[in-house]
Amino acid sequence: EVQLVQSGGEVKKPGESLRISCQASGYTFSAKWIGWVRQKPGKGLEWMGIIYPGDSDTRYSPSLEGQVTISADKSITTAFLHWKTLKASDTAMYYCAVVGHPINFGVSGTFDFWGPGTQVTVSS
Amino acid sequence: SYELTQPPSVSVSPGQTANITCSADKLGDSFTYWFQQRPGQSPVLVIFQDNKRPSGIPERFSGSISGKTATLTITGTQPLDEADYYCQAWDSNSLVFGGGTKLTVL
Repeated sequence: EVQLVQSGGEVKKPGESLRISCQASGYTFSAKWIGWVRQKPGKGLEWMGIIYPGDSDTRYSPSLEGQVTISADKSITTAFLHWKTLKASDTAMYYCAVVGHPINFGVSGTFDFWGPGTQVTVSS
Repeated sequence: SYELTQPPSVSVSPGQTANITCSADKLGDSFTYWFQQRPGQSPVLVIFQDNKRPSGIPERFSGSISGKTATLTITGTQPLDEADYYCQAWDSNSLVFGGGTKLTVL
Protein backbone atom coordinates (compact mmCIF):
# COMPACT_ATOMS: atom_id res chain seq x y z
CA GLU A 1 0.00 0.00 0.00
CA VAL A 2 1.41 3.36 -1.04
CA GLN A 3 1.85 5.75 1.89
CA LEU A 4 3.03 9.33 1.77
CA VAL A 5 4.01 11.07 5.00
CA GLN A 6 4.48 14.82 4.66
CA SER A 7 6.34 17.12 7.04
CA GLY A 8 4.42 19.34 9.42
CA GLY A 9 2.98 22.77 8.85
CA GLU A 10 5.31 25.75 8.68
CA VAL A 11 4.99 29.43 9.52
CA LYS A 12 7.73 31.55 7.96
CA LYS A 13 8.54 35.16 7.19
CA PRO A 14 8.99 36.60 3.69
CA GLY A 15 12.54 36.20 2.51
CA GLU A 16 13.20 33.06 4.53
CA SER A 17 14.07 29.71 3.01
CA LEU A 18 12.15 26.48 3.50
CA ARG A 19 12.30 22.82 2.61
CA ILE A 20 9.31 20.51 3.08
CA SER A 21 9.42 16.76 2.67
CA CYS A 22 7.36 13.78 1.60
CA GLN A 23 8.48 10.31 2.71
CA ALA A 24 7.12 7.51 0.54
CA SER A 25 6.68 3.82 1.27
CA GLY A 26 4.85 0.80 -0.10
CA TYR A 27 6.39 0.84 -3.56
CA THR A 28 9.75 1.09 -5.34
CA PHE A 29 10.52 4.77 -4.79
CA SER A 30 13.05 5.08 -7.60
CA ALA A 31 10.66 3.65 -10.19
CA LYS A 32 7.74 6.09 -10.06
CA TRP A 33 7.42 9.80 -10.66
CA ILE A 34 6.53 11.84 -7.57
CA GLY A 35 5.41 15.44 -7.66
CA TRP A 36 4.01 18.46 -5.91
CA VAL A 37 0.68 20.25 -6.22
CA ARG A 38 -0.12 23.63 -4.70
CA GLN A 39 -3.51 24.79 -3.48
CA LYS A 40 -3.80 28.41 -2.36
CA PRO A 41 -6.52 29.28 0.18
CA GLY A 42 -9.95 28.88 -1.40
CA LYS A 43 -8.44 28.17 -4.82
CA GLY A 44 -7.92 25.23 -7.14
CA LEU A 45 -5.14 22.73 -7.70
CA GLU A 46 -1.93 23.86 -9.40
CA TRP A 47 0.73 21.47 -10.66
CA MET A 48 4.23 22.51 -9.61
CA GLY A 49 6.46 19.76 -10.95
CA ILE A 50 7.56 16.17 -10.77
CA ILE A 51 10.75 14.17 -10.34
CA TYR A 52 11.78 10.63 -11.25
CA PRO A 53 13.97 9.55 -8.33
CA GLY A 54 15.65 6.83 -10.39
CA ASP A 55 17.62 9.34 -12.45
CA SER A 56 16.53 12.69 -10.92
CA ASP A 57 14.82 13.75 -14.15
CA THR A 58 12.77 16.78 -13.04
CA ARG A 59 10.06 18.70 -14.86
CA TYR A 60 8.59 21.99 -13.66
CA SER A 61 5.47 23.95 -14.42
CA PRO A 62 6.57 26.79 -16.72
CA SER A 63 4.88 29.30 -14.41
CA LEU A 64 6.87 28.13 -11.38
CA GLU A 65 10.24 27.16 -12.80
CA GLY A 66 13.02 28.99 -11.00
CA GLN A 67 10.89 29.75 -7.96
CA VAL A 68 11.19 26.34 -6.32
CA THR A 69 13.46 23.30 -6.46
CA ILE A 70 12.24 19.72 -6.42
CA SER A 71 14.64 16.99 -5.33
CA ALA A 72 14.59 13.42 -4.06
CA ASP A 73 16.81 11.24 -1.89
CA LYS A 74 16.50 7.58 -2.83
CA SER A 75 18.32 6.43 0.30
CA ILE A 76 15.48 7.69 2.49
CA THR A 77 12.70 7.45 -0.11
CA THR A 78 11.88 11.11 0.36
CA ALA A 79 11.01 13.91 -2.01
CA PHE A 80 11.58 17.55 -1.19
CA LEU A 81 10.25 20.96 -2.20
CA HIS A 82 12.62 23.85 -1.53
CA TRP A 83 12.28 27.62 -1.58
CA LYS A 84 15.31 29.92 -1.32
CA THR A 85 13.23 33.05 -0.76
CA LEU A 86 9.65 32.78 0.38
CA LYS A 87 6.95 35.29 -0.51
CA ALA A 88 3.56 35.88 1.05
CA SER A 89 2.03 34.53 -2.16
CA ASP A 90 3.60 31.13 -1.38
CA THR A 91 1.04 30.67 1.40
CA ALA A 92 -0.77 27.48 0.44
CA MET A 93 -1.35 23.82 1.12
CA TYR A 94 1.26 21.70 -0.64
CA TYR A 95 0.46 18.12 -1.59
CA CYS A 96 2.94 15.50 -2.71
CA ALA A 97 1.55 12.81 -4.96
CA VAL A 98 2.76 9.71 -6.80
CA VAL A 99 2.18 8.85 -10.43
CA GLY A 100 1.19 5.21 -10.23
CA HIS A 101 1.64 4.33 -13.88
CA PRO A 102 4.27 5.29 -16.47
CA ILE A 103 3.96 8.82 -17.81
CA ASN A 104 3.70 9.46 -21.51
CA PHE A 105 4.40 13.18 -21.51
CA GLY A 106 1.75 15.12 -23.33
CA VAL A 107 -0.58 12.12 -23.41
CA SER A 108 -1.11 10.24 -20.18
CA GLY A 109 -0.25 10.10 -16.53
CA THR A 110 -1.77 11.30 -13.33
CA PHE A 111 -1.37 11.38 -9.57
CA ASP A 112 -2.86 8.15 -8.27
CA PHE A 113 -1.83 8.56 -4.64
CA TRP A 114 -1.80 11.75 -2.60
CA GLY A 115 -0.26 12.78 0.69
CA PRO A 116 -2.20 14.62 3.40
CA GLY A 117 -0.65 17.98 2.57
CA THR A 118 1.69 20.45 4.30
CA GLN A 119 0.33 23.89 5.15
CA VAL A 120 2.85 26.67 4.54
CA THR A 121 2.05 30.15 5.84
CA VAL A 122 4.30 33.06 4.91
CA SER A 123 3.56 36.22 6.84
CA SER A 124 5.48 39.10 8.33
CA SER B 1 -1.12 29.03 -21.53
CA TYR B 2 -3.31 25.96 -21.80
CA GLU B 3 -6.57 26.20 -19.86
CA LEU B 4 -9.15 23.62 -18.94
CA THR B 5 -12.52 25.32 -18.42
CA GLN B 6 -15.00 24.01 -15.86
CA PRO B 7 -18.25 25.57 -14.59
CA PRO B 8 -17.65 27.06 -11.13
CA SER B 9 -20.65 25.31 -9.66
CA VAL B 10 -23.22 22.62 -10.35
CA SER B 11 -26.25 21.79 -8.24
CA VAL B 12 -28.16 18.53 -8.19
CA SER B 13 -30.88 16.94 -6.09
CA PRO B 14 -30.14 13.68 -4.27
CA GLY B 15 -30.72 10.69 -6.53
CA GLN B 16 -30.44 12.75 -9.71
CA THR B 17 -27.64 12.82 -12.27
CA ALA B 18 -24.87 15.40 -12.11
CA ASN B 19 -22.82 16.31 -15.16
CA ILE B 20 -19.60 18.29 -14.78
CA THR B 21 -17.89 19.43 -17.95
CA CYS B 22 -14.29 20.27 -18.81
CA SER B 23 -13.44 21.88 -22.10
CA ALA B 24 -10.31 23.04 -23.93
CA ASP B 25 -9.13 23.57 -27.48
CA LYS B 26 -6.73 20.64 -27.34
CA LEU B 27 -8.76 18.31 -25.15
CA GLY B 28 -8.59 14.89 -26.70
CA ASP B 29 -4.90 15.23 -27.57
CA SER B 30 -4.25 13.67 -24.17
CA PHE B 31 -6.26 11.62 -21.72
CA THR B 32 -8.52 13.37 -19.22
CA TYR B 33 -8.57 12.58 -15.51
CA TRP B 34 -10.99 13.60 -12.73
CA PHE B 35 -10.42 14.20 -9.04
CA GLN B 36 -12.81 14.61 -6.12
CA GLN B 37 -11.77 16.81 -3.21
CA ARG B 38 -13.98 16.93 -0.16
CA PRO B 39 -13.52 19.90 2.24
CA GLY B 40 -10.33 19.62 4.24
CA GLN B 41 -9.19 16.48 2.45
CA SER B 42 -6.67 15.54 -0.20
CA PRO B 43 -7.85 14.99 -3.78
CA VAL B 44 -8.91 11.48 -4.81
CA LEU B 45 -8.71 10.16 -8.37
CA VAL B 46 -12.19 9.08 -9.51
CA ILE B 47 -11.71 8.70 -13.29
CA PHE B 48 -8.54 8.01 -15.28
CA GLN B 49 -7.84 7.86 -19.01
CA ASP B 50 -11.15 9.52 -19.93
CA ASN B 51 -13.53 6.83 -18.69
CA LYS B 52 -11.92 4.28 -16.38
CA ARG B 53 -12.67 3.95 -12.67
CA PRO B 54 -9.94 3.15 -10.15
CA SER B 55 -10.66 0.30 -7.80
CA GLY B 56 -12.82 1.40 -4.90
CA ILE B 57 -14.60 4.17 -6.80
CA PRO B 58 -18.38 3.60 -6.95
CA GLU B 59 -19.95 2.65 -10.28
CA ARG B 60 -22.11 5.79 -10.19
CA PHE B 61 -19.02 7.74 -11.32
CA SER B 62 -18.34 7.67 -15.05
CA GLY B 63 -16.42 9.71 -17.59
CA SER B 64 -16.82 10.44 -21.25
CA ILE B 65 -15.34 12.66 -23.92
CA SER B 66 -16.87 14.16 -27.01
CA GLY B 67 -14.88 16.47 -29.21
CA LYS B 68 -13.28 19.13 -27.05
CA THR B 69 -15.37 18.43 -23.94
CA ALA B 70 -14.90 15.83 -21.24
CA THR B 71 -17.74 15.08 -18.86
CA LEU B 72 -17.82 13.55 -15.40
CA THR B 73 -21.22 12.02 -14.71
CA ILE B 74 -22.45 11.02 -11.28
CA THR B 75 -25.57 8.89 -11.54
CA GLY B 76 -27.82 8.68 -8.50
CA THR B 77 -25.91 11.44 -6.72
CA GLN B 78 -25.59 11.05 -2.97
CA PRO B 79 -25.09 13.76 -0.33
CA LEU B 80 -21.57 12.45 0.29
CA ASP B 81 -20.69 13.31 -3.32
CA GLU B 82 -20.83 16.99 -2.43
CA ALA B 83 -17.27 18.15 -3.11
CA ASP B 84 -15.03 20.04 -5.51
CA TYR B 85 -14.20 18.23 -8.74
CA TYR B 86 -11.17 18.90 -10.92
CA CYS B 87 -10.34 17.70 -14.40
CA GLN B 88 -6.72 17.20 -15.45
CA ALA B 89 -5.00 16.76 -18.79
CA TRP B 90 -1.59 17.32 -20.38
CA ASP B 91 -0.25 20.18 -22.44
CA SER B 92 3.07 19.07 -23.91
CA ASN B 93 5.29 18.43 -20.86
CA SER B 94 2.97 20.17 -18.40
CA LEU B 95 0.22 18.63 -16.33
CA VAL B 96 -2.75 20.99 -16.18
CA PHE B 97 -5.75 21.13 -13.84
CA GLY B 98 -9.09 22.71 -14.54
CA GLY B 99 -10.31 25.48 -12.26
CA GLY B 100 -12.61 23.14 -10.36
CA THR B 101 -16.37 22.74 -9.99
CA LYS B 102 -18.19 22.85 -6.68
CA LEU B 103 -20.91 20.21 -6.68
CA THR B 104 -23.77 20.97 -4.32
CA VAL B 105 -26.25 18.25 -3.49
CA LEU B 106 -29.47 19.77 -2.21
